[in-house]
Amino acid sequence: ETGVTQTPRHLVMGMTNKKSLKCEQHLGHNAMYWYKQSAKKPLELMFVYSLEERVENNSVPSRFSPECPNSSHLFLHLHTLQPEDSALYLCASSQDVPGGANVLTFGAGSRLTVL
Amino acid sequence: SQQGEEDPQALSIQEGENATMNCSYKTSINNLQWYRQNSGRGLVHLILIRSNEREKHSGRLRVTLDTSKKSSSLLITASRAADTASYFCAPRGGGSQGNLIFGKGTKLSVKP
Repeated sequence: ETGVTQTPRHLVMGMTNKKSLKCEQHLGHNAMYWYKQSAKKPLELMFVYSLEERVENNSVPSRFSPECPNSSHLFLHLHTLQPEDSALYLCASSQDVPGGANVLTFGAGSRLTVL
Repeated sequence: SQQGEEDPQALSIQEGENATMNCSYKTSINNLQWYRQNSGRGLVHLILIRSNEREKHSGRLRVTLDTSKKSSSLLITASRAADTASYFCAPRGGGSQGNLIFGKGTKLSVKP
């Protein structure tokens, strides 16, 4: 248990479904992240939230919609996904301070399959 | 943000041997971090080396950093089958360049 919990661990959805991935951190961190890991591709940084404000959005399609209601929770809302969106979605958190180390603590991931 | 590039992409060794993985990056850094990922799981932070450090040890791990060559290496000594995993480096810049971007990693296989 890393202190970052992701649910569900596995999700299968059709292209017309709407689902959400949830991430919760119990570490008192002030920044949270979504990464996407597809087979044979580097991890892609999707979204960054610092102090509950979105500070980075790396050209992610609008069918992915993040939400950070407070510093401990992060959601990724999914709708009308494509089969190529099937991947392992990783949530991470860190204590982001100026000049600090910014070490990431990851959750175990949510394995998404889009049919 | 900048991405580290790990080399080799895959490494297969026998238990008890040492494993060396390399990382190159392009611009100046604040620190460089190494992470490990077991198959299908999240990444786990292993060790961090700051830009003013040249070498750091943690148990069986030894990390070196050469800022003039913009490269780092991770050495795992006396490897075990349980070390089988993918290893990633993540160079961290300062300020707005601080987000960690990961490469494809080195896939290490340690055979018993």
